Amino acid sequence: NAGVTQTPKFRILKIGQSMTLQCAQDMNHNYMYWYRQDPGMGLKLIYYSVGAGITDKGEVPNGYNVSRSTTEDFPLRLELAAPSQTSVYFCASRQTGATNEKLFFGSGTQLSVL
Amino acid sequence: GESVGLHLPTLSVQEGDNSIINCAYSNSASDYFIWYKQESGKGPQFIIDIRSNMDKRQGQRVTVLLNKTVKHLSLQIAATQPGDSAVYFCADLTSGTYKYIFGTGTRLKVLA
Repeated sequence: NAGVTQTPKFRILKIGQSMTLQCAQDMNHNYMYWYRQDPGMGLKLIYYSVGAGITDKGEVPNGYNVSRSTTEDFPLRLELAAPSQTSVYFCASRQTGATNEKLFFGSGTQLSVL
Repeated sequence: GESVGLHLPTLSVQEGDNSIINCAYSNSASDYFIWYKQESGKGPQFIIDIRSNMDKRQGQRVTVLLNKTVKHLSLQIAATQPGDSAVYFCADLTSGTYKYIFGTGTRLKVLA
């Protein structure tokens, strides 16, 4: 039961560097999400996807890009890292159905941009 | 390391006592509500959920109460244990939409 798997767990970037945060789920969920979590704040939605080939912006998409070529994978790309992108990033997938709409979260990636 | 919830409201309870954590929501169209537990350095973990056609739902040592009139949700933890120490937050959703709205959370500290 892997659930939602995120890599890496920690990363330090220099300003202007780029990187991809990986996310994979093995539950065959159509919906997937990327959130960032800053200290003392609620989760903020960066991007989401309702299925393979379909992505859309959330509340804070600037500086990020995503792709969804398969149901399983939903990578998040930072092209030109900035200190404001220092945060903890969570990927989630959503179970849908008549009785519940649970979000399952990965363990997170702690990113520091220096 | 710890980077979540540095300035969150904190609830301190004695081990063995019951805990009540509250959450207010603003969207009257929300019809699905979830409680999550987040331990330091980990992702949020599902605890319990409730649909708007219910007022109360019980799980193992946890109960969620929903008051739609005042848009209020509470999580009750019975016989609180040290392992319950974490940040707890609620989320609400309107069915058929994509967007969950998350609360900022409450830190629960269990005193031995």
